Amino acid sequence: DIVMTQSPDSLAVSLGERATINCKSSQSVLYDSNNRNYLAWYQQRPGQPPKLLIYWASTRESGVPDRFTGSGSVTDFTLTISSLQAEDVAVYYCQHYYSSPFTFGGGTRVEIK
Amino acid sequence: EVQLVQSGAEVKKPGESLKISCKGSGYTFSKYWIGWVRQMPGKGLEWMGIIYPGDSDTKFSPSFEGQVTMSADTSSNTAYLQWRDLQASDTAIYYCARQKFGDYDAFDSWGQGTKVIVSS
Repeated sequence: DIVMTQSPDSLAVSLGERATINCKSSQSVLYDSNNRNYLAWYQQRPGQPPKLLIYWASTRESGVPDRFTGSGSVTDFTLTISSLQAEDVAVYYCQHYYSSPFTFGGGTRVEIK
Repeated sequence: EVQLVQSGAEVKKPGESLKISCKGSGYTFSKYWIGWVRQMPGKGLEWMGIIYPGDSDTKFSPSFEGQVTMSADTSSNTAYLQWRDLQASDTAIYYCARQKFGDYDAFDSWGQGTKVIVSS
């Protein structure tokens, strides 16, 4: 199974400042035949189901604000929130879908400083 | 609008059986993989497995294979997750979610979750 490791476990950022979340996979999630990274990011606000933010590592889901950016390739990925807003307080998860089981990272809690 | 509506909360005793549901609407139910995700109290997301309603093909996490059964009924656009012998450790919120397109894809729509409590 591919293990997804997120860091940090939590971070506190001032409103309007940048938040950076890292995700590392235990093996490559880049499929050579189509040059796509099989990696997604989700946001889970308190008491809510998760919401898809980013897929194929860097493609923003429809309706997701452009302050959310996904980057990285192969085994190392980053989710950046360029200017933190109050509504961004949540736990963020990465997930690979390269090979079954499509495991999630442990999550990163983002709070306001 | 794509919607997944899950069945209500359940309180069960150890050893009992349970079947929870996830009804899809707003899209062709038979043509999109549906997955199940567990979230134990205060913990992260765990991928349990996925099912293709069109032919009931499944992919399971080894952690859950043999512990639960996934099924789908295309006549009612409903997916199911079933236990035969619940344990206290099955206490969690269970989410169903739809994959965007193929069998290797992200979850783009989620149900509201079904809370399952197993306690004697």
